[in-house]
Amino acid sequence: NAGVMQNPRHLVRRRGQEARLRCSPMKGHSHVYWYRQLPEEGLKFMVYLQKENIIDESGMPKERFSAEFPKEGPSILRIQQVVRGDSAAYFCASSPLQDTDTQYFGPGTRLTVL
Amino acid sequence: AQSVTQLDSQVPVFEEAPVELRCNYSSSVSVYLFWYVQYPNQGLQLLLKYLSGSTLVKGINGFEAEFNKSQTSFHLRKPSVHISDTAEYFCAVSDRGSQGNLIFGKGTKLSVKP
Repeated sequence: NAGVMQNPRHLVRRRGQEARLRCSPMKGHSHVYWYRQLPEEGLKFMVYLQKENIIDESGMPKERFSAEFPKEGPSILRIQQVVRGDSAAYFCASSPLQDTDTQYFGPGTRLTVL
Repeated sequence: AQSVTQLDSQVPVFEEAPVELRCNYSSSVSVYLFWYVQYPNQGLQLLLKYLSGSTLVKGINGFEAEFNKSQTSFHLRKPSVHISDTAEYFCAVSDRGSQGNLIFGKGTKLSVKP
């Protein structure tokens, strides 16, 4: 049973470009969460999604950031017009419907903005 | 609002010595508590969790943690560490029934020396 998969593992963008980060949850998991880890910091919650629904986006910056989890395919975290301050590791986690209290994390995408 | 404090940012120990990584939390509601481990350039792996029941929780790799409600603590312990335990350890908390939004501490880097 494959774990949570994220791609790409490393992403380099220039200021002003768009970044798309993908997350495939564990098989049978219907809940996806995105977190951001800045250097020397713990993870900060960004958004919680179920298929085709955003449940909690209280941690998402108000501008340039969006997330989706379509009926088919992976969850996407999209960052428009990236700035240097967006450089961080972005982690996705998933949980099954019957155990939403426990989250299983992917390996992360390390975004570098030049 | 909830918060998690990991009192030690770095903990150096010698191989086969015991270790305790401290975690305190603040919350106005009942919580679930978690410890995750992050090896270099990897995602987070769940070590153990406290949801209810016995306050002493045993996890993987010989780690255990004790939930102390009166002291609002959830310290992680291992009686004898190995070189391979060198990693960063994160304590996290979530509201019971919140379905998401883990609050993480800033992490403790455990360095095990021969």
